[in-house]
Amino acid sequence: SQQGEEDPQALSIQEGENATMNCSYKTSINNLQWYRQNSGRGLVHLILIRSNEREKHSGRLRVTLDTSKKSSSLLITASRAADTASYFCATVPTSGGYQKVTFGTGTKLQVIP
Amino acid sequence: DTAVSQTPKYLVTQMGNDKSIKCEQNLGHDTMYWYKQDSKKFLKIMFSYNNKELIINETVPNRFSPKSPDKAHLNLHINSLELGDSAVYFCASSQAGGGSTQYFGPGTRLTVL
Repeated sequence: SQQGEEDPQALSIQEGENATMNCSYKTSINNLQWYRQNSGRGLVHLILIRSNEREKHSGRLRVTLDTSKKSSSLLITASRAADTASYFCATVPTSGGYQKVTFGTGTKLQVIP
Repeated sequence: DTAVSQTPKYLVTQMGNDKSIKCEQNLGHDTMYWYKQDSKKFLKIMFSYNNKELIINETVPNRFSPKSPDKAHLNLHINSLELGDSAVYFCASSQAGGGSTQYFGPGTRLTVL
C-alpha cells in the first residue's frame, strides 16, 4: 500500500500567494523527501528532512515534519507561475534491510499569473 | 550534460511485442532504479540495482527484466507487452541507498496498442 498520501490532490492559487501541501504517512521513517514534477518531465528533488529534524528551509520552500502525527507539510511562499507542477512526498522507512523510497499520490499545484 | 538519460523518450508498439528502454547516468552513483508512473501519476518502484547487483525487485511480472551491464547503466527489457504496461517509465540514480536523494531521468512514455 502507499506510504504517503498528499493533501490536497489539487491546488490552484494566484501568483504571489503561499501554497501549502500536506503529506501523511503510516510507518516510522528515516527521512522524508519532497520532489517536484513538471508536466512531461522527471521528478526533481527539492528537500530532504530527517526524522530528528522538525523544520527545514530552502529558498522559498519550508518543510515541517511531525513524526508524532506522521505528517509533513511543504510551504511555498510567494508562488510564481513557474512553480506550477505536481509535488510528491517520498518516505524512507526505518525498518527493512534496504531503504526503499515510497512516493505519495502527489499534489497538483497550479499558480495563476 | 544530462545527468540521467533515457532512450527512447516515446515508444509506441503493438501488444505482444518485446521492447527495451535504456538508462545511463553520468553522476558516478552506485544505485539505480526503475519506476513506473501510471495515468493517475502514481509512482511505483519496480527495481533497484546497487553496483550491478539487484537489490529491490517489487511484485513485477517476470516479463520485465532489468539488466545492469555496469554501474552507469540500467536497462529494462519487457517481453510480450500488454495494454496495462502503458505508462511512463522513469529511471533514477542515487549516490547511496534509497534513503538518499534520487536523480530522475526524463521518462519514457510507453504506449501499447
